[in-house]
Amino acid sequence: GAVVSQHPSRVICKSGTSVKIECRSLDFQATTMFWYRQFPKQSLMLMATSNEGSKATYEQGVEKDKFLINHASLTLSTLTVTSAHPEDSSFYICSARDVGGTDTQYFGPGTRLTVL
Amino acid sequence: QKEVEQNSGPLSVPEGAIASLNCTYSDRGSQSFFWYRQYSGKSPELIMFIYSNGDKEDGRFTAQLNKASQYVSLLIRDSQPSDSATYLCAVMEYGNKLVFGAGTILRVKS
Repeated sequence: GAVVSQHPSRVICKSGTSVKIECRSLDFQATTMFWYRQFPKQSLMLMATSNEGSKATYEQGVEKDKFLINHASLTLSTLTVTSAHPEDSSFYICSARDVGGTDTQYFGPGTRLTVL
Repeated sequence: QKEVEQNSGPLSVPEGAIASLNCTYSDRGSQSFFWYRQYSGKSPELIMFIYSNGDKEDGRFTAQLNKASQYVSLLIRDSQPSDSATYLCAVMEYGNKLVFGAGTILRVKS
């Protein structure tokens, strides 16, 4: 099946620092990847759509200068949380769209970010 | 913003029973519907997708879609304690973006 990996799985950082999260599709090419954020006991909220070779599309209310997205290849997208603050602490999950198969989205295992 | 509504639960069923999870959506033009399962602290995993009216079966799972009523459901037969999780209904909208419901917590009691 379609496998998506994320790294790191868990990160703790100090307020004001930047954190980079990688999302990789391991056995398929993904022209489109999606970044979600999930706070405790809430559902997933889409942050942005990452398109290979072009700028990401951000959802309303998501600061593009704070959440930098780069989709440099068909198998890798990165999300950088810049100048992280405690309110950015959350579960960040990426998904990749398998256009070669059933056109569904497969999720990575998620990255739990804690900002002290 | 399109809306996807689910009863938050928890829905409690005894082991071996049928669990019925329901979802309604607001956009009549939606074409693709997905059910994901999410265990606590983990990311969602795809259970099924359905595009056409009617039933779609995969093992113990059956997805049902009624576009006229804007309603999609998931039936889990022979429920097991390992099925205890949060079930997320998702609808695909323009741009292949998924809009998720808040999820229904299912508890299967042994």
